[in-house]
Amino acid sequence: AQKVTQAQTEISVVEKEDVTLDCVYETRDTTYYLFWYKQPPSGELVFLIRRNSFDEQNEISGRYSWNFQKSTSSFNFTITASQVVDSAVYFCALRAYYKLTFGKGTLLTVNP
Amino acid sequence: DTAVSQTPKYLVTQMGNDKSIKCEQNLGHDTMYWYKQDSKKFLKIMFSYNNKELIINETVPNRFSPKSPDKAHLNLHINSLELGDSAVYFCASSQDTRTEETQYFGPGTRLLVL
Repeated sequence: AQKVTQAQTEISVVEKEDVTLDCVYETRDTTYYLFWYKQPPSGELVFLIRRNSFDEQNEISGRYSWNFQKSTSSFNFTITASQVVDSAVYFCALRAYYKLTFGKGTLLTVNP
Repeated sequence: DTAVSQTPKYLVTQMGNDKSIKCEQNLGHDTMYWYKQDSKKFLKIMFSYNNKELIINETVPNRFSPKSPDKAHLNLHINSLELGDSAVYFCASSQDTRTEETQYFGPGTRLLVL
């Protein structure tokens, strides 16, 4: 069985603060993929990143960075210098075999 | 150009009615999905089709029947709507069923059953 846990239900920060969204996963599969999606207030689901289980290199894309640690089964997401437009629900997801399993999401509110 | 589109965007209906949601993707993908997002934002897979064949059916009530006329379309028909069916339904597609393939989502259909 697969499981994704996003322990932080809601986070509120002030603009320009850095914020880290936590994601912990469980799977028995040795080959799997991890994803982050963003759901802004408008409601659509936007793909952010994909990471495979054999690649533990951290990734940076602009103000976004991801830290994958297989030893702790974590795939955390950091936003540097947050902006109001970053306000959204962020979902971590795990895919092994056919199924994509989502965490319950973290609501990030960035206040001006 | 919209990659994955759904119609309608909003659907308000009475309990007991039958309704359909349409999904189309222009990405040339082989695999399509339906997800349900409940009021607490929890997203769960309902169905998956690959080249018009059903490959995932996640213990969804028989009132829900997906139909894939071709690999670019996956429609969802719901019979005898119940209050608990109120949710946002997302269609998604991926290149194929391989684990590494990213799923791209449509804008969602907000269904409200009164």
